[in-house]
Amino acid sequence: AQKVTQAQTEISVVEKEDVTLDCVYETRDTTYYLFWYKQPPSGELVFLIRRNSFDEQNEISGRYSWNFQKSTSSFNFTITASQVVDSAVYFCALRLTSGTYKYIFGTGTRLKVLA
Amino acid sequence: DVKVTQSSRYLVKRTGEKVFLECVQDMDHENMFWYRQDPGLGLRLIYFSYDVKMKEKGDIPEGYSVSREKKERFSLILESASTNQTSMYLCASSSDRAKLFFGSGTQLSVL
Repeated sequence: AQKVTQAQTEISVVEKEDVTLDCVYETRDTTYYLFWYKQPPSGELVFLIRRNSFDEQNEISGRYSWNFQKSTSSFNFTITASQVVDSAVYFCALRLTSGTYKYIFGTGTRLKVLA
Repeated sequence: DVKVTQSSRYLVKRTGEKVFLECVQDMDHENMFWYRQDPGLGLRLIYFSYDVKMKEKGDIPEGYSVSREKKERFSLILESASTNQTSMYLCASSSDRAKLFFGSGTQLSVL
């Protein structure tokens, strides 16, 4: 069975703090994609990153960085020097490459960045 | 700019009404999806379609049906709305194995 777990339901930080959002996934497939999406208060989910299972290199994009570790089935997301505009719900998702077209989402982590 | 457009941002309906939620994408994507989002449950897949007139059930299809007569349009139908279908409904589209593009969502309240 495939599953994505985001154990942190809600996180509050003060502006300029660093914060890490955890994502643990389960799959027996060897080939898959992992995603992070951001849902600001406006409601529309915005794509942040896609990573395929063969690429374990960590990625940095501005204040955002992602740590993919197949050994622990984790794909964690870190925001450095958080800002109020980072306040949103963040979803991690898994997409297999065989058979199904389904994307499996975690339950999301609500991040509140306080000024 | 690529776009997935959902016809209504907010909708209020009465129990037993037939409800249509419309979604249009302008990216010529093969795949389209309907999700429902509830607090603490994340996004749950209701139905998806990988081609015109083709559809597959997701995880929670009961009480819903879909229609895809044209590639760009994917409709979600609540045959007889019930209060437990009050939720945020999100439409998305993608080309094969690529990222999902989402609409802004429809907050449906069934009274």
